[in-house]
Amino acid sequence: DTEVTQTPKHLVMGMTNKKSLKCEQHMGHRAMYWYKQKAKKPPELMFVYSYEKLSINESVPSRFSPECPNSSLLNLHLHALQPEDSALYLCASSQQGGDTIYFGEGSWLTVV
Amino acid sequence: QKEVEQNSGPLSVPEGAIASLNCTYSDRGSQSFFWYRQYSGKSPELIMSIYSNGDKEDGRFTAQLNKASQYVSLLIRDSQPSDSATYLCAVTAISSGSARQLTFGSGTQLTVLP
Repeated sequence: DTEVTQTPKHLVMGMTNKKSLKCEQHMGHRAMYWYKQKAKKPPELMFVYSYEKLSINESVPSRFSPECPNSSLLNLHLHALQPEDSALYLCASSQQGGDTIYFGEGSWLTVV
Repeated sequence: QKEVEQNSGPLSVPEGAIASLNCTYSDRGSQSFFWYRQYSGKSPELIMSIYSNGDKEDGRFTAQLNKASQYVSLLIRDSQPSDSATYLCAVTAISSGSARQLTFGSGTQLTVLP
């Protein structure tokens, strides 16, 4: 079982809704990531947090807003999304100095 | 721009055969190399990592790395129907702080026929 826990597993939201995806890890990792994966495509990096600070934003639209309240938690706030934002959203983490990135089970998002 | 390319699929092999998956990368600064397996509707699962030239074996899986040729491969021996999945090659270089920026190839869909 993955030690990166994501909630909810499935989310359906309207284009005017505000929702959040949550991610938690208790492995002591100091880097956390959000990836987006569309069907039959590889995961695409969205954001990287290092020591609770945003270090990489891959030109993601502002309707996606990440937040890292502490070293174990990572949120992705969603607002005014479009149907094309429907995808699998993957949270991941890695340890300090380590190369291995561990993925959570993902949150399936459908925007209607 | 960093690129990771995988041999085009889909790939079908009979049960018990060797499946060979290939990957090339463009960034000579790449340091770590991974193979992830992804079943349909699931998240990527790490199955192999390799950091230095040569072969690394883990059970039925062997990863091979050739940094001079910028090439990494995965061999699956005695392929089983349960190996049917998409295999993603991924490469990292050092990012900021403790973070690693993982670049994925497009994936190769493997089907093992009973």
